[in-house]
Amino acid sequence: QKEVEQNSGPLSVPEGAIASLNCTYSDRGSQSFFWYRQYSGKSPELIMFIYSNGDKEDGRFTAQLNKASQYVSLLIRDSQPSDSATYLCAVNIGNQFYFGTGTSLTVIP
Amino acid sequence: GAVVSQHPSRVICKSGTSVKIECRSLDFQATTMFWYRQFPKQSLMLMATSNEGSKATYEQGVEKDKFLINHASLTLSTLTVTSAHPEDSSFYICSAILAPRPYEQYFGPGTRLTVT
Repeated sequence: QKEVEQNSGPLSVPEGAIASLNCTYSDRGSQSFFWYRQYSGKSPELIMFIYSNGDKEDGRFTAQLNKASQYVSLLIRDSQPSDSATYLCAVNIGNQFYFGTGTSLTVIP
Repeated sequence: GAVVSQHPSRVICKSGTSVKIECRSLDFQATTMFWYRQFPKQSLMLMATSNEGSKATYEQGVEKDKFLINHASLTLSTLTVTSAHPEDSSFYICSAILAPRPYEQYFGPGTRLTVT
């Protein structure tokens, strides 16, 4: 059973729209949750982390965590073509990290 | 955020030779570092967990005698690909954990290895 699941996409949104990325996890012992952005040919870049239920906002990004339903989402407001990338969800259990396979996002100008 | 460096960024080597990749945490001490491999258009694959001062923990299917990991200090871990073969050609990425919780994991820029 996969620890972390993401819709692989591709997800396409027009420029200026809200992109919504979702992730579910199986282990209720998961402690912290992360969103990474990975451009093609580059390594992942940490953009958000959250460990309490609710919303966490940072600029155009909002992470939402619902531990009861075991999902975490990332909203990108005012999407820009430069947001086109693969977004990886990761969960932390102890000192181990489990990654989803990523969702490919394309923002259409 | 914290900064992790990797060296070299690209390396081309002949089949049968060994290649060493360095991973450094530049502005923090990392008791735990990870090594990943990523093939084109595929997801990250964890190879091993490297803990300072102890032996690395390898994931199932990763040959520890082929992929030698040394975590000699709190800021440096090295991965040596021994007797490299063309199928070892991949993008190797290290990461380091910034403790304490929530244990943010920061990635190095990656090393593109091509074995000819």
